[in-house]
Amino acid sequence: GENVEQHPSTLSVQEGDSAVIKCTYSDSASNYFPWYKQELGKGPQLIIDIRSNVGEKKDQRIAVTLNKTAKHFSLHITETQPEDSAVYFCAASLIYFGSGTKLNVKP
Amino acid sequence: EAGVTQSPTHLIKTRGQQATLRCSPISGHTSVYWYQQALGLGLQFLLWYDEGEERNRGNFPPRFSGRQFPNYSSELNVNALELEDSALYLCASSRLPGQGKETQYFGPGTRLLVL
Repeated sequence: GENVEQHPSTLSVQEGDSAVIKCTYSDSASNYFPWYKQELGKGPQLIIDIRSNVGEKKDQRIAVTLNKTAKHFSLHITETQPEDSAVYFCAASLIYFGSGTKLNVKP
Repeated sequence: EAGVTQSPTHLIKTRGQQATLRCSPISGHTSVYWYQQALGLGLQFLLWYDEGEERNRGNFPPRFSGRQFPNYSSELNVNALELEDSALYLCASSRLPGQGKETQYFGPGTRLLVL
């Protein structure tokens, strides 16, 4: 089956800085890569996704890049704000999730 | 539009008992997924149902089972509860995957505590 690895496990940045979270996957047949944000006490919420026929996708301060050859994809958050503090999960093929990154944005 | 709902929000059981968790998907969604999220850990895929049938199963023992009803709501049953079953159980729904509309929407989860 698919194996998704996510790094780093924790990330602390200053407000206004950028944050980057990276994931790798093992199954070259995977073609859908969503990213979720989970706030304390809530279920994960989709923030952006990318399909394998696209190399990059952007939505305001959030962008995702995909390198199919290297089998890795990354989440980029620019101009971070304290409300970006949460746990972020990547996923491949819908049901295989990374282990999560706890992002802390310091005011 | 109502989101994915789950009940109960919290459930306390003792070892050896059975737990039943319920999920109602978003209207128009036929697929329901169940995940286990142990404290501080990631999401582990449990089960996927679509149109009443089990489509995929994660690496969990048979005492984890479920079903999907004709109205697409779903039930997760955990038999012979063990202490390590204590976790947040998340349900998600989507349209049928493979049609480019498989975005998953998650419910708030049921927190199960096994004593």
